[in-house]
Amino acid sequence: DTGVSQNPRHKITKRGQNVTFRCDPISEHNRLYWYRQTLGQGPEFLTYFQNEAQLEKSRLLSDRFSAERPKGSFSTLEIQRTEQGDSAMYLCASSLVGTGDGNTIYFGEGSWLTVV
Amino acid sequence: KNQVEQSPQSLIILEGKNCTLQCNYTVSPFSNLRWYKQDTGRGPVSLTIMTFSENTKSNGRYTATLDADTKQSSLHITASQLSDSASYICVVSDGGNKLVFGAGTILRVKS
Repeated sequence: DTGVSQNPRHKITKRGQNVTFRCDPISEHNRLYWYRQTLGQGPEFLTYFQNEAQLEKSRLLSDRFSAERPKGSFSTLEIQRTEQGDSAMYLCASSLVGTGDGNTIYFGEGSWLTVV
Repeated sequence: KNQVEQSPQSLIILEGKNCTLQCNYTVSPFSNLRWYKQDTGRGPVSLTIMTFSENTKSNGRYTATLDADTKQSSLHITASQLSDSASYICVVSDGGNKLVFGAGTILRVKS
């Protein structure tokens, strides 16, 4: 197991284009989170999944953002009609709720988005 | 409003010295408090997790303390090394499904 994997690690896109990030959580982890982090700030919660169900979305997640976890394994985060303000690092994290290690949340290395 | 505030914002110390980072929170109800280390351009890595009943927890040269009455936590780093240079983030959970993150303390260890 190589931990939480995110792809691509870096993406530069023109304003108005769509981008999609993929997250592969730790195998068998039932909970998956997406966060956004800008320079000098801590991560901000965007959304989370329990298995394939998206249970909560932050108000930060505008209608241009959509996240899916169709089979309860990997997840995608799509941003449509990107804006310069979307430039940030998008972090994925996973955990296994319901076990003694359920409080430990493991983060991926993040996907850097630059909108030009 | 649930908030986590960290101090100092940044810190420079000499290799081999000790340092202490502070975290104050107003998250309620309280479930647990975590400290993460985040290297530049990388994802956060968990250092410690403490629940309400735990006052201190160590992970190698890192020792975290928690005072749930005053809603304060500290992270003490002993005998600092160059590889300790990173951002240290305090994170508080209310037992729900979100974590409240502090902005982090940027630590730079100089030789």
